Amino acid sequence: AQKITQTQPGMFVQEKEAVTLDCTYDTSDPSYGLFWYKQPSSGEMIFLIYQGSYDQQNATEGRYSLNFQKARKSANLVISASQLGDSAMYFCAMREGNAGKSTFGDGTTLTVKP
Amino acid sequence: DTGVSQDPRHKITKRGQNVTFRCDPISEHNRLYWYRQTLGQGPEFLTYFQNEAQLEKSRLLSDRFSAERPKGSFSTLEIQRTEQGDSAMYLCASSPPGVENTEAFFGQGTRLTVV
Repeated sequence: AQKITQTQPGMFVQEKEAVTLDCTYDTSDPSYGLFWYKQPSSGEMIFLIYQGSYDQQNATEGRYSLNFQKARKSANLVISASQLGDSAMYFCAMREGNAGKSTFGDGTTLTVKP
Repeated sequence: DTGVSQDPRHKITKRGQNVTFRCDPISEHNRLYWYRQTLGQGPEFLTYFQNEAQLEKSRLLSDRFSAERPKGSFSTLEIQRTEQGDSAMYLCASSPPGVENTEAFFGQGTRLTVV
């Protein structure tokens, strides 16, 4: 079974509007971390935001917030006030327990329209 | 040193040749990871080091692949007898000690093309 599912291959958003990128995950480990990364066309992976499985509140980092719904196993990324520079590929990832590795979804390509 | 450094950035090689990539992590980071990313997909885990110990290796990593981190600092990933299916971006990442669920910092990757 897929551990990380990103169901939106591509998304469009108008500049200055908010957009939600979906991510669902599958794990039986009670301790895990969820991450979102941005990958522009230049190729580097840029860390955006982290949510721990025991965190009571949704994570926020500037214009990024994570809508964490533990019972539904979803960890959607919300980008507020989209900017042209937000156009990129976005990846959701999970690290389980003490595992070193992270498992990534297949990504969502976000295009911000002027 | 402000980030993870990978060398070379691009490599074109003929099928059957051996290639070696280098990764220099952020200096105080004891954890180092290698991932492979093909076009349109997310990174796939290859292997993980904590200091010089290779703690985990993916089943994706065939016998032609080997990774080392001899002194717990930089790491090398070698692919022997390259095949066209090895063409991909090879990403290295590192993370600091002491905090389990901290993010990994990625390098800019080495893009391998096997012709």
